[in-house]
Amino acid sequence: DTGVSQDPRHKITKRGQNVTFRCDPISEHNRLYWYRQTLGQGPEFLTYFQNEAQLEKSRLLSDRFSAERPKGSFSTLEIQRTEQGDSAMYLCASSPAGTGTDTQYFGPGTRLTVL
Amino acid sequence: GNSVTQMEGPVTLSEEAFLTINCTYTATGYPSLFWYVQYPGEGLQLLLKATKADDKGSNKGFEATYRKETTSFHLEKGSVQVSDSAVYFCALSGGNTGFQKLVFGTGTRLLVSP
Repeated sequence: DTGVSQDPRHKITKRGQNVTFRCDPISEHNRLYWYRQTLGQGPEFLTYFQNEAQLEKSRLLSDRFSAERPKGSFSTLEIQRTEQGDSAMYLCASSPAGTGTDTQYFGPGTRLTVL
Repeated sequence: GNSVTQMEGPVTLSEEAFLTINCTYTATGYPSLFWYVQYPGEGLQLLLKATKADDKGSNKGFEATYRKETTSFHLEKGSVQVSDSAVYFCALSGGNTGFQKLVFGTGTRLLVSP
């Protein structure tokens, strides 16, 4: 069990550029989540996948954001036409399927800085 | 909607002091409650959880009891160490949020000095 991994760990980009982040969940975890954390705040839910199906999206996920999980394994989060307000830590988590609440295991995050 | 309120930090303690970090929640139904910890430069780690009223979660000397009557899940530790310095997040899932997503508080930074 290698844990949830995210790539890159840091990304600096200029306003208006597109960026893509990758998340590799714990193997055999079929649920995958994306959260965003800004400085001094707790993480905020963005979206959730069960296998390859995107089941829930937050209102925070504007139309510039898109997430995919094409084969039910790794996931990508793309931000188009980045804005300075997109600067944040983007966290990925995964959990096994099951009834009720399953513990979510978090990756180290990708820190995005938009100049 | 569901929400979590934590005491503001930083909380500054000397080693071996008693720790309490307050957490209250607003939710309909019966949410599950969590404490996550974020050490400097690291990702969020689950510290403990409780899934029903009166349950006590515990780990590494930390404890929290799910109190439905006061809608609280306060984190306690009898004797803190310098290595406990971190940011602590209270969170919930379930209730009317649905089981899948976590709702976090703003976090409380703990600083423990030798």
